[in-house]
Amino acid sequence: DIQMTQSPSSLSASVGDRVTITCRASQGISNYLAWYQQKPGKVPKLLIYAASTLQSGVPSRFSGSGSGTDFTLTISSLQPEDVATYYCQKYNSAPQTFGGGTKVEIK
Amino acid sequence: QVQLVQSGAEVKKPGASVKVSCKASGYTFTSYYMHWVRQAPGQGLEWMGIINPSGGSTSYAQKLQGRVTMTRDTSTSTVYMELSSLRSEDTAVYYCARHIGDDGYNPWGQGTLVTVSS
Repeated sequence: DIQMTQSPSSLSASVGDRVTITCRASQGISNYLAWYQQKPGKVPKLLIYAASTLQSGVPSRFSGSGSGTDFTLTISSLQPEDVATYYCQKYNSAPQTFGGGTKVEIK
Repeated sequence: QVQLVQSGAEVKKPGASVKVSCKASGYTFTSYYMHWVRQAPGQGLEWMGIINPSGGSTSYAQKLQGRVTMTRDTSTSTVYMELSSLRSEDTAVYYCARHIGDDGYNPWGQGTLVTVSS
């Protein structure tokens, strides 16, 4: 099975900072990669699909890039409401594995 | 609007089974796959499996094979996830989520807490 590895597992940044989270697949998955945001006690929310397509209604400060095995989620200017855990997920085939998550906090 | 509404919280004893429902509305039920994802307390997201509501075909995570069964009722636009031989490690919030093609999982159900405790 393909493994999804996220880094870092947690980060602390200041409001306005540029934040980058990486996700690596153990084998190529083309662009079948999604990013989700989960705030404490809430349901996961789709941010980006097909590696770089922004889900409708998601702020433009979020962006995704990558293809094959290496992917990136970028928050261009971190806001207080972005405090959450972020997960990547492959969905090209079963099992549709999630990464371990990256917890983002405000410094 | 597209909505997935799950059944309520459950408390089960070890060795028992639980069946969680997910009722879909606002779209053509048979046109989208449905996945089940669970999240143990303080842990990450774990993909459990997928059902195609059109024909009923399924695919399950290897670690749950033999214990999980996903079914659907097209007359009520509802999918079900049954997990048997429950153990304490199965304590988690269980989510259903809709998916098709290149899109990600959207929307998700509100989640169902299943607690396994003697």
